[in-house]
Amino acid sequence: DTEVTQTPKHLVMGMTNKKSLKCEQHMGHRAMYWYKQKAKKPPELMFVYSYEKLSINESVPSRFSPECPNSSLLNLHLHALQPEDSALYLCASSQRRPGNDEQYFGPGTRLTVT
Amino acid sequence: GESVGLHLPTLSVQEGDNSIINCAYSNSASDYFIWYKQESGKGPQFIIDIRSNMDKRQGQRVTVLLNKTVKHLSLQIAATQPGDSAVYFCAENMDGGSQGNLIFGKGTKLSVKP
Repeated sequence: DTEVTQTPKHLVMGMTNKKSLKCEQHMGHRAMYWYKQKAKKPPELMFVYSYEKLSINESVPSRFSPECPNSSLLNLHLHALQPEDSALYLCASSQRRPGNDEQYFGPGTRLTVT
Repeated sequence: GESVGLHLPTLSVQEGDNSIINCAYSNSASDYFIWYKQESGKGPQFIIDIRSNMDKRQGQRVTVLLNKTVKHLSLQIAATQPGDSAVYFCAENMDGGSQGNLIFGKGTKLSVKP
């Protein structure tokens, strides 16, 4: 299994809602990532989990809360989002291998905040 | 701040021709580079990577060239096909990618005319 899966594929939520994005990989990768991608822009790193511990938080607002229940799963909890948070949210994973550590991306969750 | 950028935002080529997509990077400490392909509605797909101790690496129909002197990276696609139409991103990292903070360039949209 060489893929990263993400659910849901599409999500529409109001500014007062609480929702969660889910990501799963079964490649034995020890690092997992959340990226945010706006239309016609490159992905921007949000969070990095390494060995199930948060290692990088790129100054993301607290209305985004990541969680790594185990080495195969990564969640992103959403609360009180703003319309400008509408974007494609991408999950990725990698082996955390010194030398070259290619990241594998999931298909993303298209989030619309109304 | 330092960033990864691209010379050409769009590239249109005839089917069967070779394509060259360019990328300039400014972080001299970067030592690991990746090219990703992103089709509409999908997550980025790994194409090829290269470490800074190399200046050329070949894959199936693709070649990545790295010129550290001028901090330039290019992706060459041989015999371009309609299925190659996508946005291509270069990305850089330090310490062989082990830092996790993959920084993407702005992207080049490749259109292949039949």
